[in-house]
Amino acid sequence: EAQVTQNPRYLITVTGKKLTVTCSQNMNHEYMSWYRQDPGLGLRQIYYSMNVEVTDKGDVPEGYKVSRKEKRNFPLILESPSPNQTSLYFCASSFWGGQPQHFGDGTRLSIL
Amino acid sequence: DQQVKQNSPSLSVQEGRISILNCDYTNSMFDYFLWYKKYPAEGPTFLISISSIKDKNEDGRFTVFLNKSAKHLSLHIVPSQPGDSAVYFCAASTSGNTPLVFGKGTRLSVIA
Repeated sequence: EAQVTQNPRYLITVTGKKLTVTCSQNMNHEYMSWYRQDPGLGLRQIYYSMNVEVTDKGDVPEGYKVSRKEKRNFPLILESPSPNQTSLYFCASSFWGGQPQHFGDGTRLSIL
Repeated sequence: DQQVKQNSPSLSVQEGRISILNCDYTNSMFDYFLWYKKYPAEGPTFLISISSIKDKNEDGRFTVFLNKSAKHLSLHIVPSQPGDSAVYFCAASTSGNTPLVFGKGTRLSVIA
């Protein structure tokens, strides 16, 4: 089954404690992306990657890092999380950037 | 600066009637437009798209209309069903490998 898998689905943590949200896709997609969804703000892109070892900033990259060492994986790293990063995060993938993307089911992060 | 705007945060429609969700864009370079549907606790799922060479695309109960001169697109759902209750996101991109730009979403409630 074609899917984008995110882990964890839920996480409550404290300010400053580094965390990683993993994202994996099994569709051999070149393009992967991270979004955050906040009330009244819709989906905002954090980072995207057009291919292995190629990443670029989206609209709200501050406080986040990503890496793309393999085609299937695109982890999102919060080196020093802060409460304003409390949000619902989605990973997505597609064959190329402008195509319909497949989304994961989301990761709800709460940073206290 | 919001390039894709969904000016109605919410919409309520009676079951069986038509739902019309609207989306405006400012970037004249956009030439591919998509609608996504999102249920609570799930990731957005692709619904329907339209290329700028067309002004209408239909898929079952869902039809998307594009008015390039007005930089406006709309999603029509006929007839509306309670299962259509969800948040709908409009998105746009330019030709080539460019990221999708999402609107803030419209919450549709279909009342039985």
